[in-house]
This record gives sequence, C-alpha cells and structure tokens, in this order.
Amino acid sequence: NAGVTQTPKFRILKIGQSMTLQCTQDMNHNYMYWYRQDPGMGLKLIYYSVGAGITDKGEVPNGYNVSRSTTEDFPLRLELAAPSQTSVYFCASSYSEGLGGTDTQYFGPGTRLTVL
Amino acid sequence: QKEVEQNSGPLSVPEGAIASLNCTYSDRGSQSFFWYRQYSGKSPELIMFIYSNGDKEDGRFTAQLNKASQYVSLLIRDSQPSDSATYLCAVRTGGSYIPTFGRGTSLIVHP
Repeated sequence: NAGVTQTPKFRILKIGQSMTLQCTQDMNHNYMYWYRQDPGMGLKLIYYSVGAGITDKGEVPNGYNVSRSTTEDFPLRLELAAPSQTSVYFCASSYSEGLGGTDTQYFGPGTRLTVL
Repeated sequence: QKEVEQNSGPLSVPEGAIASLNCTYSDRGSQSFFWYRQYSGKSPELIMFIYSNGDKEDGRFTAQLNKASQYVSLLIRDSQPSDSATYLCAVRTGGSYIPTFGRGTSLIVHP
C-alpha cells in the first residue's frame, strides 16, 4: 500500500493564481482531512470528509474548496492565492469507528506552498 | 472553544534520560487522546493513543491520562538522539469525529 500520497511536493504561486492540491489514499478509509501547518504551529483543519460526496468545513476554510467524488481522492482547491496561504499542507485519512473513536490518522508527505 | 495546550519548548534532555511531555485540554467531554511525532520536514505519525485514566505503556513510551485534572502526558524512557522531534498532542471529544491538535513540543536529545 502506498498509503496517503500528495502532489505536488512543492509549489510556488503568484498572488491571484489558483491551483489544486491532490490527495489519494489506497487504504479504503472513509474519513479524509486537509490540514495546514504554519511554522511553530500545530495543525489547523481546513476541510474534512466523512465519505464520498460529503464534506464539511474545519477551523480555517476561507479561501479553499474541496470535493470528494470517490473514496480514494480528496483534492483541495485554492482560488485566488494570497500570501497568507503560504504554508505546508497535509492530507490525512482514517477509518472512523464512530464518534469519539480512537482511529489513527495517516498523513501524506505534505505539500510546501509559497505564495509570492 | 476546544483548546489543547502544549509548551512549545524546546525541551532538552541528555541521552538516556526520561523526557516528559505534557498536554492540557479544556473540554471535559474529551474522550480520546493521541500523541504524534513529527520529524523536521516530515509528516506526523502516531505514537500512541489512550482513552482510559492511568498509564499505557508501549516499549520506551508511556502515555499518562488524568481526566480529572485534564492533562495527558508522554514519557520517553532512555531517550535517544533519534527521538529528537516535535511531539503533537491531539484530543477528540465524544461528540466529534475530528481531533484538535496542540502546537507541539520540540524535544532535543543531546548525546
């Protein structure tokens, strides 16, 4: 199993440009997440999905959009990139046992994005 | 608002010592607690989870949970330079599918 894969690894965008960060998991996990991590900070949840066709906002959703058309894929779309979106983006997945469960999140390698 | 607090460190310990990492949380309804390790430039990986009061041991790692005092800690025995990393605490309430992460504590184990 490849686990959780993300592309690209690095990207530099100009202000106002758009891009899609790709995330794929091959573990048949029902839950998928997008986080951003700024230097010295923890993980901030952007969006998450509990299954194909179902997505919901996290803590910091402004400026981002997601879709989940399949179990495997959970792309993150940045529209009109801004310097404040410079960060490392992590995709994660888990198989949820239900509310308050102890399911493990598996993280992808991350995408380092710089907006200039 | 759910809060998870960690001392950002760095916590510096000599090789072979016990490293103690602490995490406090604000939501009394929290039920599941996780410790992730993150090496510089890498993604987080799970070390342990705990959901019952008391201690849980796995090799050199021990997680300790005290729900009455609302803290969870991670002890690393016989610390090695390879343990140098940032340790993230994550907490999930019973009413949520999503854990809340702390900022992480940087651990440095020096030879």
